[in-house]
Amino acid sequence: GQNIDQPTEMTATEGAIVQINCTYQTSGFNGLFWYQQHAGEAPTFLSYNVLDGLEEKGRFSSFLSRSKGYSYLLLKELQMKDSASYLCAVNYGQNFVFGPGTRLSVLP
Amino acid sequence: NAGVTQTPKFQVLKTGQSMTLQCAQDMNHEYMSWYRQDPGMGLRLIHYSVGAGITDQGEVPNGYNVSRSTTEDFPLRLLSAAPSQTSVYFCASSALGVEAYNEQFFGPGTRLTVL
Repeated sequence: GQNIDQPTEMTATEGAIVQINCTYQTSGFNGLFWYQQHAGEAPTFLSYNVLDGLEEKGRFSSFLSRSKGYSYLLLKELQMKDSASYLCAVNYGQNFVFGPGTRLSVLP
Repeated sequence: NAGVTQTPKFQVLKTGQSMTLQCAQDMNHEYMSWYRQDPGMGLRLIHYSVGAGITDQGEVPNGYNVSRSTTEDFPLRLLSAAPSQTSVYFCASSALGVEAYNEQFFGPGTRLTVL
């Protein structure tokens, strides 16, 4: 299968910047998604990258390097409500493969 | 728009029982999928469909059946429930782009416990 790796847990302080990394197998890659999931809720879409480079959307940005099989999600000006799991998902053909998720805790 | 709806929200089954998890979407999306989410494992794809009458297996299809008779509905059937199927099940849908897939919209989930 296609392994996707993310750190299991991260902690950051309110107002700070945090970067969540994701690595994946490049063969068959069609695009990469980031989702946010609060505890007990469904995932919600954050960003989509298909070409190399940075996609910025408000406080959230996502970067992709296709040749390196690497992406990151950058969260700026962290708020308490950003405490959640962040899921990296790769589209391979008609399949979507999700990483294990990174649980982010934002401390006051 | 209701988006993606799932029923029931919670279910407890005994080993060997069968049941159907319902999923419906009102966004006219071609692509629909079922995932299970277990602690530390992320979302794993069970089955998916790219349109009415077309279904295919994902990463963990054993013990589950699906059908897609309409664009709107994509039920997931557990044939003979086992404790290993205790999980949270999410249904998702998305439009199909010309060259790549679009974002998936997820239902609220069904929390299933098999005793």
